Amino acid sequence: GAVVSQHPSWVICKSGTSVKIECRSLDFQATTMFWYRQFPKQSLMLMATSNEGSKATYEQGVEKDKFLINHASLTLSTLTVTSAHPEDSSFYICSASGSSRTYNEQFFGPGTRLTVL
Amino acid sequence: AQSVAQPEDQVNVAEGNPLTVKCTYSVSGNPYLFWYVQYPNRGLQFLLKYITGDNLVKGSYGFEAEFNKSQTSFHLKKPSALVSDSALYFCAVREWNRDDKIIFGKGTRLHILP
Repeated sequence: GAVVSQHPSWVICKSGTSVKIECRSLDFQATTMFWYRQFPKQSLMLMATSNEGSKATYEQGVEKDKFLINHASLTLSTLTVTSAHPEDSSFYICSASGSSRTYNEQFFGPGTRLTVL
Repeated sequence: AQSVAQPEDQVNVAEGNPLTVKCTYSVSGNPYLFWYVQYPNRGLQFLLKYITGDNLVKGSYGFEAEFNKSQTSFHLKKPSALVSDSALYFCAVREWNRDDKIIFGKGTRLHILP
């Protein structure tokens, strides 16, 4: 099956700093990538959808200036948490889907644990 | 609007017994249904999906799910549970030919008791 990687797998940072998380599709071209946030013992919350070469579409309530998403190529999307604060601590998961429209499905990365001190 | 309900926060099953994790959905068109499993501090692993065809779908690790259109359900089942099946299970739905966004249920924690 298709493989999606995330880097880093975990990161600890100080409050006020910015953190970048990478999401890569390793063996397919991902026309669309999704970023999710998961709080402990809760479901995945979709943050934004990004299509290669265009601006991301953010879900209601997600601050686009806080969570910067770039999808510059068909294999890479990045999520930058700007001026991170402790409440941004969470598990961030990306997923990617390819170009087959009819049976499009999402392939998930392993997640990134962000802890803001 | 699409929605997915997993009515049970937790399911406890003795090892070797059959297990069922419930899921119901709501979409305006034809559903595209998934089950995923998540182990602690890990991303989601795909188990199985229903697109069309046979209502009984077989997936990874011996799991299967039955699509029931009249009851709008897609329950996950396994004939004989293993301790290693203990994890968090998510049901998800997307409508055919709509944008790629899928909606996840809140998850059901499965405990297999040795």
